[in-house]
Amino acid sequence: AQSVAQPEDQVKVAEGNPLTVKCTYSVSGNPYLFWYVQYPNRGLQFLLKYITGDNLVKGSYGFEAEFNKSQTSFHLKKPSALVSDSALYFCAVRDGAGYSTLTFGKGTMLLVSP
Amino acid sequence: KAGVTQTPRYLIKTRGQQVTLSCSPISGHRSVSWYQQTPGQGLQFLFEYFSETQRNKGNFPGRFSGRQFSNSRSEMNVSTLELGDSALYLCASSLGPQGTNNEQFFGPGTRLTVL
Repeated sequence: AQSVAQPEDQVKVAEGNPLTVKCTYSVSGNPYLFWYVQYPNRGLQFLLKYITGDNLVKGSYGFEAEFNKSQTSFHLKKPSALVSDSALYFCAVRDGAGYSTLTFGKGTMLLVSP
Repeated sequence: KAGVTQTPRYLIKTRGQQVTLSCSPISGHRSVSWYQQTPGQGLQFLFEYFSETQRNKGNFPGRFSGRQFSNSRSEMNVSTLELGDSALYLCASSLGPQGTNNEQFFGPGTRLTVL
């Protein structure tokens, strides 16, 4: 079975500081990894994905994520946080071996203070 | 290109009633997946439809059902509503079925409140 863990319910950073939102995963085969963001009263918006290739993936709004196979992690990062980045962030995984649906983590609330 | 649309956006029902939610995917997308989002359980997969066929189903009781039409629009139905069915129901569409590397695009959701 596949699973995703987001160990932090909440992450607080000051505007201008770098941010990291953590994600670890477990799959049988090669992982397809995704990050989504959800603003209040909105659906999820796709940020970035890792399928294969470079371990550092760049996505929307200046976000990037680093795939680390040995640590089974896919942490989301941004060099300089904005107040407008405050939202709920979801990591998701799908097993690339065969057919499987997307499994989401519980979500991490990012709070960026002015 | 228009995004995923869901109707209605908000719904209030009472226990025992049934409800139908609608989802129109992005034009050209043939896969529609449904999720239930609650504060305690997070995002839970309900089912996926691709080319009018249910490809996969999550761990929900039979009161939850769905279907997809030839134009890829999808509906989900919940019968005999319970208080615990109160949630945000999200629909997501993608070009190909789940199991591929396509990302999903989500609608704004339908907020269902069961009284």
